[in-house]
Amino acid sequence: ELKVEQNPLFLSMQEGKNYTIYCNYSTTSDRLYWYRQDPGKSLESLFVLLSNGAVKQEGRLMASLDTKARLSTLHITAAVHDLSATYFCAVDSRWDNDMRFGAGTRLTVKP
Amino acid sequence: DAGVIQSPRHEVTEMGQEVTLRCKPISGHDYLFWYRQTMMRGLELLIYFNNNVPIDDSGMPEDRFSAKMPNASFSTLKIQPSEPRDSAVYFCASSVTRGLYGYTFGSGTRLTVV
Repeated sequence: ELKVEQNPLFLSMQEGKNYTIYCNYSTTSDRLYWYRQDPGKSLESLFVLLSNGAVKQEGRLMASLDTKARLSTLHITAAVHDLSATYFCAVDSRWDNDMRFGAGTRLTVKP
Repeated sequence: DAGVIQSPRHEVTEMGQEVTLRCKPISGHDYLFWYRQTMMRGLELLIYFNNNVPIDDSGMPEDRFSAKMPNASFSTLKIQPSEPRDSAVYFCASSVTRGLYGYTFGSGTRLTVV
């Protein structure tokens, strides 16, 4: 069974600081996704990572994928309050025909 | 495109009643997914379709749950009879070629069974 583990689950940081959210998964996969969810809202797609070594950046967020280590990271640079949300990684393993989400990281950025 | 459209946005029903959730995927998307989100279990994949055909329903919790996709533009998730533990937010998502460009989620249906 595909397992997806995110850490930390809760993250409180000050504006202007940098931090990284980690997403580990248990099986072969070359498709990994990052989503943002605001309270009471739907999931917004942030990044689609489709190959080993893929790196994508949008504003203060940068995501990377290392399929050999089965690890993806979401790096936050110079955090601002507007980034406060819950961030999910999701893995699609076509080999196992399984798709799972991590538990989510609730990020709070304080002034 | 209006995105993935779900209805209703909110549903409150009594235990034992039948509940039907509806989803209209983005035109041209050939995959459709139903997810359930709860605080305790997070986001769970219930079932997904490819070209209107159910591919994997192993996430459907019980026989009380059923899903159909009669055509490329409409899917339903039905719970009969409903129970309080079915209370959750149910999301529908669609994609092209199984997520090659990501998945687009609908706004969700918040179901409360009392």
